[in-house]
Amino acid sequence: QQPVQSPQAVILREGEDAVINCSSSKALYSVHWYRQKHGEAPVFLMILLKGGEQKGHDKISASFNEKKQQSSLYLTASQLSYSGTYFCGTENTDKLIFGTGTRLQVFP
Amino acid sequence: DGGITQSPKYLFRKEGQNVTLSCEQNLNHDAMYWYRQDPGQGLRLIYYSQIVNDFQKGDIAEGYSVSREKKESFPLTVTSAQKNPTAFYLCASRGSRGINQPQHFGDGTRLSIL
Repeated sequence: QQPVQSPQAVILREGEDAVINCSSSKALYSVHWYRQKHGEAPVFLMILLKGGEQKGHDKISASFNEKKQQSSLYLTASQLSYSGTYFCGTENTDKLIFGTGTRLQVFP
Repeated sequence: DGGITQSPKYLFRKEGQNVTLSCEQNLNHDAMYWYRQDPGQGLRLIYYSQIVNDFQKGDIAEGYSVSREKKESFPLTVTSAQKNPTAFYLCASRGSRGINQPQHFGDGTRLSIL
C-alpha cells in the first residue's frame, strides 16, 4: 500500500519546470510532501488536507485530487537548490506511509 | 531551539553486539517514529509510539526493539538478531497524536558493521 511516485528520476536544467506525481491505491484524506538532500534528513515541504486543494511553497506548489487518489508536486523555474529526492506521504492510522521517491537533479 | 537530536552520528557494530541509537526531542511532541533507509531507497518504518509507555511495530520491526519511558526520548536498539543492520536510521516526531501534522526529522545515525 506504499504510494507510487512517478517519474522515478528527473534531470533538469536551471529554470525548467517539473511535475512529480504520487498515486495511492487507498482513499486519501491528506498528502504530505518532503524533500531529502543527499546524506541529510527529509525536510517537510507541505501538507494538503482537502480534495482539490492547492498549496504553494516558494515556487513549489502541489495539488491534491482525492477522487483520483493522487497528488502532484509542481516545481517551477527550478533552482540548483531543488535537487534532492522528493517523497510523498499518506496517512495510515496514526503513521505516515512514504512513497517510492523521485530523484530530482538540477544542473546549471 | 526546538528540535530532534540523534546520537551518535556514526556507529559501528561488531558481530553479535547490540547497539542503541538515541533520539531526544524538545518539541513536546506526542508521536515519535524510527525509520530505516538503505542507500538509494525510501523510508521504511521500524517502530512508532503515540504516547509514553506504548509503541507499535512498523513494517520491519524484526531485530529491533524500542522503549518510550519519557515523552522526550525514544531510543532504538539494534539487536544481534538484525543480520543486516547497515543503514541510515532516522528518528522523527510530530504533535497531537500525529494525524495531519508535519513530521520533523533528526539528522540521522549511520550504522555500519565492523
